Amino acid sequence: NAGVTQTPKFQVLKTGQSMTLQCAQDMNHNSMYWYRQDPGMGLRLIYYSASEGTTDKGEVPNGYNVSRLNKREFSLRLESAAPSQTSVYFCASKILAGTGFEDTEAFFGQGTRLTVV
Amino acid sequence: QKEVEQNSGPLSVPEGAIASLNCTYSDRGSQSFFWYRQYSGKSPELIMSIYSNGDKEDGRFTAQLNKASQYVSLLIRDSQPSDSATYLCAVPWGAGKSTFGDGTTLTVKP
Repeated sequence: NAGVTQTPKFQVLKTGQSMTLQCAQDMNHNSMYWYRQDPGMGLRLIYYSASEGTTDKGEVPNGYNVSRLNKREFSLRLESAAPSQTSVYFCASKILAGTGFEDTEAFFGQGTRLTVV
Repeated sequence: QKEVEQNSGPLSVPEGAIASLNCTYSDRGSQSFFWYRQYSGKSPELIMSIYSNGDKEDGRFTAQLNKASQYVSLLIRDSQPSDSATYLCAVPWGAGKSTFGDGTTLTVKP
């Protein structure tokens, strides 16, 4: 049982290059999330997918796109990388509780450390 | 966008002391509150969740929630050097999204 797996762990891009960050979970969770974490700051939501087949913008979606490939996989794409996108990216998954139910724990991948030069 | 504020830190306590971490939030409708611990270079992991007013204890950790005052705190008793980490307060809202505070970095000195 691997939990949430992200690839790659480290990446250096040149400004203008594109890349896709991969995320897969094996916990049968319905919801998946992409966050970025800048030094000394908390996690900011980029995009999320409440369930298979749906995606929505979070707080900081500009410059990113996502694909919920199936229930297990949720990818994040940078079409034209910029130095401002240098950050640590975390994928997370959880069971989305129904209305009136208590929210549940999020499980995080190990992170992708991205540097754009 | 909901706001979550944490005491800025960094916080340094001697081994064996009580560490107190605080978090305030803006949305009076929030029902669930989470504390995550993040070691340097690692991903966040859940250590406590609390849903009702009052205290919730789990080993050396106690979460305290006061919905009227809109704050949630985390107490770590008998602090150990292994507790040195950044603690993130998270408040969920809508479709499982969560707003995270910027974190409080705790150092426990032997």
